[in-house]
Amino acid sequence: QVQLQESGPGLVKPSETLSLTCGASGYAISSGYYWGWIRQPPGKGLEWIGTIYNSGSTYYNPSLKSRVTISLDTSKTQFSLKLSSVTVADTAIYYCTRGRTTMVTFDYWGQGTLVTVSS
Amino acid sequence: QSALTQPASVSGSPGQSITISCTGTSSDVGFYDYVSWYQQHPGKAPKLMIYEVTNRPSGVSNRFSGSKSANTASLTISGLQAEDEADYYCSSYTTSYTVVFGGGTYVTVL
Repeated sequence: QVQLQESGPGLVKPSETLSLTCGASGYAISSGYYWGWIRQPPGKGLEWIGTIYNSGSTYYNPSLKSRVTISLDTSKTQFSLKLSSVTVADTAIYYCTRGRTTMVTFDYWGQGTLVTVSS
Repeated sequence: QSALTQPASVSGSPGQSITISCTGTSSDVGFYDYVSWYQQHPGKAPKLMIYEVTNRPSGVSNRFSGSKSANTASLTISGLQAEDEADYYCSSYTTSYTVVFGGGTYVTVL
């Protein structure tokens, strides 16, 4: 059974960089599939942030691309999200996910972590 | 990229069938058979219900089914039950190698 767990600061100041890590257990992330991040502002819908394939290829939401970096650390079986120059609009629950077969088939999700951008 | 279009809400009585639509364009829903549907209960992470338009993951009730015609995908819930009350989101792969979600539909069981 695959389990994903997000970790990182719950509070980030405006203009700083949001950094989250997703630890994966039950499956070696180097073995395949897609690994990604999705966020959900409080009371609103889902927004895809980006995805990384186990080969290292990355795919980002065009609206966030200039500020986003997703990376894999296969030795630690984890992957990370960095979002720079954050504003209050980046306040959201951030989910890490696994994409099976296709980049859009998110079959496993972390529980989500709320990140608030505030001074 | 623009979000896929879903109705804000759909309702039905227990035992009835309801259908949620998800309209995109010829660059996403209409181009690939890579449409997924997710169910989200309050305070919980979304759950995959349908993938690649019509496929159900193991463990998902066969009361949930998916289809697609041109640029519109649909999720049908038959034999509606109280536990089906939740938000539902569609998503699609796009020709720009990105993923786009719908705005979400809240299903109310009357």
